[in-house]
Amino acid sequence: GNSVTQMEGPVTLSEEAFLTINCTYTATGYPSLFWYVQYPGEGLQLLLKATKADDKGSNKGFEATYRKETTSFHLEKGSVQVSDSAVYFCALSGTGFQKLVFGTGTRLLVSP
Amino acid sequence: DTAVSQTPKYLVTQMGNDKSIKCEQNLGHDTMYWYKQDSKKFLKIMFSYNNKELIINETVPNRFSPKSPDKAHLNLHINSLELGDSAVYFCASSSPGGYNEQFFGPGTRLTVL
Repeated sequence: GNSVTQMEGPVTLSEEAFLTINCTYTATGYPSLFWYVQYPGEGLQLLLKATKADDKGSNKGFEATYRKETTSFHLEKGSVQVSDSAVYFCALSGTGFQKLVFGTGTRLLVSP
Repeated sequence: DTAVSQTPKYLVTQMGNDKSIKCEQNLGHDTMYWYKQDSKKFLKIMFSYNNKELIINETVPNRFSPKSPDKAHLNLHINSLELGDSAVYFCASSSPGGYNEQFFGPGTRLTVL
């Protein structure tokens, strides 16, 4: 079945540091890939997505590229802010009536 | 303006009780979902409905029964609550054919004592 593997956290960074959160997946066919973010006490928000190989999703300074050859979708940001502290979830989905399959989530803590 | 709303936000109850969580979306989506997030933040699908019809039913105890009175609502009823049911339950919705981008509600934190 489909699965997503994320690096374990927490990831602790100082403000303005470079961020990478690794995500790899196993799937049949050509899934869509997503990064969701969960701020403390809130629900999940879609951060970015990519629907086919070599697509790059980007939003709020975050980027991730759909790499079919390495089955990866790593999240990056050049300069993190304290307000980026949250839990980040990598997820995949097939087409049609497909459930989202989530990774275990990675907590990011950014200190001033 | 709320896209996906859930009630209640917090629910504290005793073991053995029956409770319901309600979800409504005003996005005009056809498909709705229930997810469970455990204490370690792990998220797992429970159910999905499309136009009031059940399309995904993961391995969930039959004490959990979803009900969709119309395509804008998907409620979750839980019978005979157990300690292990304590979790945050998220409702979500999506429009099929749109690469399955899902919009999530704020969650309902259920605590079973």
